Amino acid sequence: DTGVSQNPRHKITKRGQNVTFRCDPISEHNRLYWYRQTLGQGPEFLTYFQNEAQLEKSRLLSDRFSAERPKGSFSTLEIQRTEQGDSAMYLCASSAQGDEKLFFGSGTQLSVL
Amino acid sequence: GESVGLHLPTLSVQEGDNSIINCAYSNSASDYFIWYKQESGKGPQFIIDIRSNMDKRQGQRVTVLLNKTVKHLSLQIAATQPGDSAVYFCAENRGWGGYQKVTFGTGTKLQVIP
Repeated sequence: DTGVSQNPRHKITKRGQNVTFRCDPISEHNRLYWYRQTLGQGPEFLTYFQNEAQLEKSRLLSDRFSAERPKGSFSTLEIQRTEQGDSAMYLCASSAQGDEKLFFGSGTQLSVL
Repeated sequence: GESVGLHLPTLSVQEGDNSIINCAYSNSASDYFIWYKQESGKGPQFIIDIRSNMDKRQGQRVTVLLNKTVKHLSLQIAATQPGDSAVYFCAENRGWGGYQKVTFGTGTKLQVIP
């Protein structure tokens, strides 16, 4: 399967714990995006990488959130001191240079108890 | 403020009939629109896109119409099949400098009745 891969698919955690998600984009794609989606809503933009550089962050990305793409390939999204309001589907997408189509992974569903 | 929104949250269609999903946008400067399909438990999947210099674009069984005068676009699905059941999002590309900041609307759930 050469699509965007995300893991874990599901994560249940207690409030106050830290969690980390991983995204492996399509191998030739240099652009990577993180989105968050809550039930009944469309995905909301969180952040964007071009290669290893994080070029934009949404105001939704509080100080408790950090994203990295150290080698310009896979990316991680960490949430520190999770809150119940962080419960959502976290989606990763990638795109190739010059191509405006985004390819999404299946997401990581986070539940904060 | 700027937004991309949908008229109907749920649409039920008989199998074999045509489906029309509508979407309104408010930013008259928007120049690129995308329709995505999201099945349960999956991420959004690109269906078709259209630029503001076009008013119609066709794909396989799908057609997108853009009316810039009233800031409205629609997705038409011909001969709707059970596999078309999903949530459909219209989205606006607000990126610049070559990257895509895709802003999604709330979505319309399409239910196909066998």
